Amino acid sequence: RKEVEQDPGPFNVPEGATVAFNCTYSNSASQSFFWYRQDCRKEPKLLMSVYSSGNEDGRFTAQLNRASQYISLLIRDSKLSDSATYLCVVNKPGGYNKLIFGAGTRLAVHP
Amino acid sequence: DAMVIQNPRYQVTQFGKPVTLSCSQTLNHNVMYWYQQKSSQAPKLLFHYYDKDFNNEADTPDNFQSRRPNTSFCFLDIRSPGLGDAAMYLCATSRDGPRGRTNTEAFFGQGTRLTVV
Repeated sequence: RKEVEQDPGPFNVPEGATVAFNCTYSNSASQSFFWYRQDCRKEPKLLMSVYSSGNEDGRFTAQLNRASQYISLLIRDSKLSDSATYLCVVNKPGGYNKLIFGAGTRLAVHP
Repeated sequence: DAMVIQNPRYQVTQFGKPVTLSCSQTLNHNVMYWYQQKSSQAPKLLFHYYDKDFNNEADTPDNFQSRRPNTSFCFLDIRSPGLGDAAMYLCATSRDGPRGRTNTEAFFGQGTRLTVV
């Protein structure tokens, strides 16, 4: 089983749609969770951290379900500029922490 | 202002010719990472430094080495690049959180795109 798993997509949605991505992680001791956005041939950039109580930033809402070991990202009122790959990132605790990436979910928003 | 800077942005090297990629940071973060990302794939962790302590991933080839002479700088050395090493190499930093179990988010440089000819 992969440490961080995501549906690769692509998700093709019209402008204005609501779309949701899920990500599952295998290490129950993980404590830090993030969603990153990556545009084609660019570096990943932090979209939002994911907190235990869930958090919202404008059109974006992130949720954490520790019992089922998954996090989610909801995008409301999709814009063309939201087209990108969304990467789920989870820390792997241990002797030394490290951040593990999922393979990403591609989103394509069309007019 | 860029906080994690990678040089060069684009690197072309010959098959088998050693190459060094560099990364510097102004964030004073204690953790620095090197990731390899191939087209349409997840960034793959090669190794990371926790302060001066070097941590190699089990599946990172011996062909890849790293140096961190001080907090600000980290280098990735590829001793004998093969065609399969062509990829985007991403440097990132983070600050290990309290209790040793959490991380702050990672900040990435713009990456170095390596071409092997």
